[in-house]
Amino acid sequence: SQTIHQWPATLVQPVGSPLSLECTVEGTSNPNLYWYRQAAGRGLQLLFYSVGIGQISSEVPQNLSASRPQDRQFILSSKKLLLSDSGFYLCAWSVREETQYFGPGTRLLVL
Amino acid sequence: GQQVMQIPQYQHVQEGEDFTTYCNSSTTLSNIQWYKQRPGGHPVFLIQLVKSGEVKKQKRLTFQFGEAKKNSSLHITATQTTDVGTYFCAALRGGKLIFGQGTTLQVKP
Repeated sequence: SQTIHQWPATLVQPVGSPLSLECTVEGTSNPNLYWYRQAAGRGLQLLFYSVGIGQISSEVPQNLSASRPQDRQFILSSKKLLLSDSGFYLCAWSVREETQYFGPGTRLLVL
Repeated sequence: GQQVMQIPQYQHVQEGEDFTTYCNSSTTLSNIQWYKQRPGGHPVFLIQLVKSGEVKKQKRLTFQFGEAKKNSSLHITATQTTDVGTYFCAALRGGKLIFGQGTTLQVKP
């Protein structure tokens, strides 16, 4: 069966520090991968999606970047965090454009 | 823009009352998906509707897709405290899922 992992589960970082969140998927090949951010009590904002290794589409201009160094690995990064980067970061995978399966998420608090 | 509007944003009900959330689009949708996110958790897929006028049931949950494929609803009969959470609709557009803003359901025991 397929599983999706995200770490860390929670993170507290100072403003201006770098960020690296990792997402890995097991049990499937060549998945579509997605990064979402969810502010407290709000909906899901799609940040990046990838249909293959090295292929990244950015949805909104921002302080973040994404990379897909391996088929089942998706990384969300920032060189310098802003207060506004705080939120709940969710990784998801899908087979082509079908149902998305979400990871447990990372709660990021930037102070 | 290509938005999916979902209402209401919040709903408080007494346990045992019914609950409905609505999802609307200005353009025809190829399909509509519904997800549930429990407090502190991540969204979990519930169901996908594809056909015009389609109705699907999961125990006390009834999902409908409009005849014009521009709207959808999720109805919960006789809510329970386990129904608490945020319910999202999502429409597939251009290879991506466009999520509604969600309806957060609170159930008072």
